[in-house]
Amino acid sequence: EAAVTQSPRSKVAVTGGKVTLSCHQTNNHDYMYWYRQDTGHGLRLIHYSYVADSTEKGDIPDGYKASRPSQENFSLILELASLSQTAVYFCASNPGLGPSSYEQYFGPGTRLTVL
Amino acid sequence: SQWGEENLQALSIQEGEDVTMNCSYKTYTTVVHWYRQDSGRGPALIILIRSNEREKRSGRLRATLDTSSQSSSLSITAAQCEDTAVYFCATDASSGSWQLIFGSGTQLTVMP
Repeated sequence: EAAVTQSPRSKVAVTGGKVTLSCHQTNNHDYMYWYRQDTGHGLRLIHYSYVADSTEKGDIPDGYKASRPSQENFSLILELASLSQTAVYFCASNPGLGPSSYEQYFGPGTRLTVL
Repeated sequence: SQWGEENLQALSIQEGEDVTMNCSYKTYTTVVHWYRQDSGRGPALIILIRSNEREKRSGRLRATLDTSSQSSSLSITAAQCEDTAVYFCATDASSGSWQLIFGSGTQLTVMP
């Protein structure tokens, strides 16, 4: 079964500190995505990638960097964490081909609190 | 924004009732997804309806799509307590990157 895992599941960071969120998928999918979800709102796309060593900006990339060192791994980096980045972050993967090409498989999420 | 509603909507019903959730979108899409998110978990796809389909069924779920009014609905028949979750609709961004644009969702609570 398709699997996307995230680490850590929860993190408390200090304002101005560096935060790295990690995502690992065993789906053999080309596409990976990072979303943030704020309380009471839907998911918004931060960065995505369709191939290793390449990342693309999503709708809200400011304050975030992404890294895709391999097909399986996709990281989200907050170089200088700010209070406004407190949210739940979800990673997802997508095959990009075939009849299921639109379905995104989500990880369990990382709850980030910036103090 | 792609969607008409910006904030999470809330619905509360009794077990056994039918319920319908609606979404309206602003730009053309080739597919509407409906995702379900249980508390503390990531969203999971429950039904997908394409622009050439007017209706799609899966068990007690029924999705409709009206491309002329740019709206979609998700109905649950005889809701059960385990249907309690947040339900999101999402459309493709039509950018060739298999991106999705999510609506703000509906928090459905089914009471015993």
